[in-house]
Amino acid sequence: GNSVTQMEGPVTLSEEAFLTINCTYTATGYPSLFWYVQYPGEGLQLLLKATKADDKGSNKGFEATYRKETTSFHLEKGSVQVSDSAVYFCALINSGGSNYKLTFGKGTLLTVNP
Amino acid sequence: EPEVTQTPSHQVTQMGQEVILRCVPISNHLYFYWYRQILGQKVEFLVSFYNNEISEKSEIFDDQFSVERPDGSNFTLKIRSTKLEDSAMYFCASSGSPRTGGTEAFFGQGTRLTVV
Repeated sequence: GNSVTQMEGPVTLSEEAFLTINCTYTATGYPSLFWYVQYPGEGLQLLLKATKADDKGSNKGFEATYRKETTSFHLEKGSVQVSDSAVYFCALINSGGSNYKLTFGKGTLLTVNP
Repeated sequence: EPEVTQTPSHQVTQMGQEVILRCVPISNHLYFYWYRQILGQKVEFLVSFYNNEISEKSEIFDDQFSVERPDGSNFTLKIRSTKLEDSAMYFCASSGSPRTGGTEAFFGQGTRLTVV
């Protein structure tokens, strides 16, 4: 079956620090990969996505590259801000399925201090 | 920008009572989903709905749960007899298809269900 494993949190950084949140996956076929973000008290928002190997998704300074050889999709940002404090979820859709349900990782809480 | 809307934002109910959670998906989307997130845990898939029927459901989605799309715009999740362990944030989501702009899911703000 499909599964997503992401780095356990919480992660606490100072403003302008470099961020990496690791994510690896197990899936049959060729999944599409996503990072979702959940700000305090809010719902899930799509942050970025990649649909095939070697694609790089990027948004708001965040990046992640779809690495088929290592089955990974690590999230990075060069300089975090206080406003980036949120829970980050790695997720996949298995393209071989009959619908487009998401399989999520457990989420990583990021706190950025001024 | 189109969005998925959910009502109510918070519902408190007594154990054993029925609840209906409501969602209005994005209008041209074809796939509809319910997910739940127990406090502090990961987001779990409950059910997907396509072409007016359930296309997949998880083991969590037992006989106490049902979904409906009664009027072409609303999408509801009903829990017939709530249990304490049903307390969670319930998210509705919708997505298109590869032919209609992509399969990424758009989520509502969630309904926090508290069973007491």
